[in-house]
Amino acid sequence: QKEVEQDPGPLSVPEGAIVSLNCTYSNSAFQYFMWYRQYSRKGPELLMYTYSSGNKEDGRFTAQVDKSSKYISLFIRDSQPSDSATYLCAMRSANDYKLSFGAGTTVTVRA
Amino acid sequence: DTAVSQTPKYLVTQMGNDKSIKCEQNLGHDTMYWYKQDSKKFLKIMFSYNNKELIINETVPNRFSPKSPDKAHLNLHINSLELGDSAVYFCASSVGTGNTIYFGEGSWLTVV
Repeated sequence: QKEVEQDPGPLSVPEGAIVSLNCTYSNSAFQYFMWYRQYSRKGPELLMYTYSSGNKEDGRFTAQVDKSSKYISLFIRDSQPSDSATYLCAMRSANDYKLSFGAGTTVTVRA
Repeated sequence: DTAVSQTPKYLVTQMGNDKSIKCEQNLGHDTMYWYKQDSKKFLKIMFSYNNKELIINETVPNRFSPKSPDKAHLNLHINSLELGDSAVYFCASSVGTGNTIYFGEGSWLTVV
């Protein structure tokens, strides 16, 4: 069993829809949770970072962490074709340089 | 200005060859990484250096050897390349165990 599980999709939604992405994990020591966006033929770029449980909002993006269920989510409101990319969740424990990534979910937003 | 730059971007080479990928960051970060992304887009850490000291060395064949001449550079040398080494290799950097890790554009390695 992988440390971080993420449904690879693909996920196709119409423009303006809400995109819902999630990951589950098994390591209860994870405290830092991130979402990266990766466009085709590019490197991942950090979208959101959350410490421990709770919600964080940044524009059209909302990240949620539920440590009791070992479940994290990313919501994209009013999705745009430019949001079409692969979204990777990542997480680590305190004082650990190693990030554990999910497999990534490929999202296509149709105009 | 490119923050994390790696060369070459594309590399096609024959089995058994030795090749190197170079990485440089101009962000002033003290920690650098090599990640491997396979055909299913799964990103996995290979190595990490903090202030030129190796701090992460995952289970990677010893044909892979990283070298960090200074804090701004981390190179990856691969000996006796195999078909299974074909992947995208990403260099990255951060401040300490920072949560903001900056990735390079990737180096697409194809072994034929």
